[in-house]
Amino acid sequence: AQKVTQAQTEISVVEKEDVTLDCVYETRDTTYYLFWYKQPPSGELVFLIRRNSFDEQNEISGRYSWNFQKSTSSFNFTITASQVVESAVYFCALSEARGGSNYKLTFGKGTLLTVNP
Amino acid sequence: EPEVTQTPSHQVTQMGQEVILRCVPISNHLYFYWYRQILGQKVEFLVSFYNNEISEKSEIFDDQFSVERPDGSNFTLKIRSTKLEDSAMYFCASRKGQGNTEAFFGQGTRLTVV
Repeated sequence: AQKVTQAQTEISVVEKEDVTLDCVYETRDTTYYLFWYKQPPSGELVFLIRRNSFDEQNEISGRYSWNFQKSTSSFNFTITASQVVESAVYFCALSEARGGSNYKLTFGKGTLLTVNP
Repeated sequence: EPEVTQTPSHQVTQMGQEVILRCVPISNHLYFYWYRQILGQKVEFLVSFYNNEISEKSEIFDDQFSVERPDGSNFTLKIRSTKLEDSAMYFCASRKGQGNTEAFFGQGTRLTVV
């Protein structure tokens, strides 16, 4: 069975600090996808990134970076120079990717990030 | 930019009543999903729908739940006889298919059963 663990329930930082959100996953599949979604206070789920299990290259998008390490089954998310508007719940998610898959998502419990002015 | 839209944004219903949550997926998407998020908890998969039939459902999706794509654009989730524990945020999502794996979510419908 697939499982995603986000051990950090809440993180509080001061604006402009860097922050890393941890994600550890479990799956028996050799091919899978990892995702990060953001849920701001307004409640919607906003897609941030997808990573294929075959691609272990780290990704950087502006102040956001993702560190995917298969050896430790982790897919951590770092925000550099955090901003108050980035306060939200961040979810890590996993989906299977074998043929005929529905790509249904298994979510972690989320990490509430509060960025204080 | 195309988006998934859900109506209503908030629904209050009495226990035992039927409720229908509506979603309009992105127009060229082929796969549709409902997820549920009980307040303060994680987002959970309910059901996936493809080619006018359910392709997978979770243990949560019991006989009280049903989905339908009545007219080629709407995708609905019906709860036949609501219970207090059905109170949650319900998210609709759609995916293009054909190797595209990102699911795009609607803004959610908050269902409150009283």
